[in-house]
Amino acid sequence: DQQVKQNSPSLSVQEGRISILNCDYTNSMFDYFLWYKKYPAEGPTFLISISSIKDKNEDGRFTVFLNKSAKHLSLHIVPSQPGDSAVYFCAASVQHSGAGSYQLTFGKGTKLSVIP
Amino acid sequence: DSGVTQTPKHLITATGQRVTLRCSPRSGDLSVYWYQQSLDQGLQFLIQYYNGEERAKGNILERFSAQQFPDLHSELNLSSLELGDSALYFCASSVAPVDRGEAFFGQGTRLTVV
Repeated sequence: DQQVKQNSPSLSVQEGRISILNCDYTNSMFDYFLWYKKYPAEGPTFLISISSIKDKNEDGRFTVFLNKSAKHLSLHIVPSQPGDSAVYFCAASVQHSGAGSYQLTFGKGTKLSVIP
Repeated sequence: DSGVTQTPKHLITATGQRVTLRCSPRSGDLSVYWYQQSLDQGLQFLIQYYNGEERAKGNILERFSAQQFPDLHSELNLSSLELGDSALYFCASSVAPVDRGEAFFGQGTRLTVV
C-alpha cells in the first residue's frame, strides 16, 4: 500500500520555466513532509521541508505547498535550471511508536529533466 | 560529499549467501538509518539506531539484522539472500533521534543477488 504517491514518473521542462512536482499521501497521521533530490550514483539530498501546520515554505527557487484537505503537496522550482535535472523524492514523516523517533515514508520519485 | 560513507559500493553474491554492508555516519551524528530501494520503488525504511540502540523498525525482514557499534558505525547483515533482495541499500545519519527526517545519505551499496 503506497502511502506516498508520486504519480508522474518523469517530467520535462524548458530551462527558465517553472517545474511543478506533485505528491499525494493517504495517511492523515503524517505531520511533516520533505523533498529530497537524487543525482545518479549519489544518495538522496535533503532539499526542503514543510510542517503540517503550514501551507507554504520557500527557500530560494524552491517552494513547497501543502494542501492538507486534499492530502497533496507540490514542489515548485522557479526558474528551472539544467542542474536541477535529477530524481525528486517526496517523503512524509510521522512519529514512530518509539518516543522521539520518526519514520520516513518515501514516494517512488519523479525524474525531472530540464532542457537547455 | 554528505560525509556518510558506505562500503562496499557494489556487491554481487549468490542466492543463499550472507553479506554485511557497512556505514560510517557523519562526524558527530548519533542516528543511523537504513533504507532499501528496489527497482522502480521508493526508499523503504528498514531500521534506525541511535547511539547504539535500536530506535525504530520499519519493513525489515527477519533475515536482515543491523547493529550500531560504540564508534557509531553501523552494519546491516543480510542472510539467506534471495533474488528479490537485489537493491540499492542506503544508509543515512543525523545528529539527533528526534530529527524530522532531514538526514544525510551515503552513496549507497548496490547489491546484486544472482
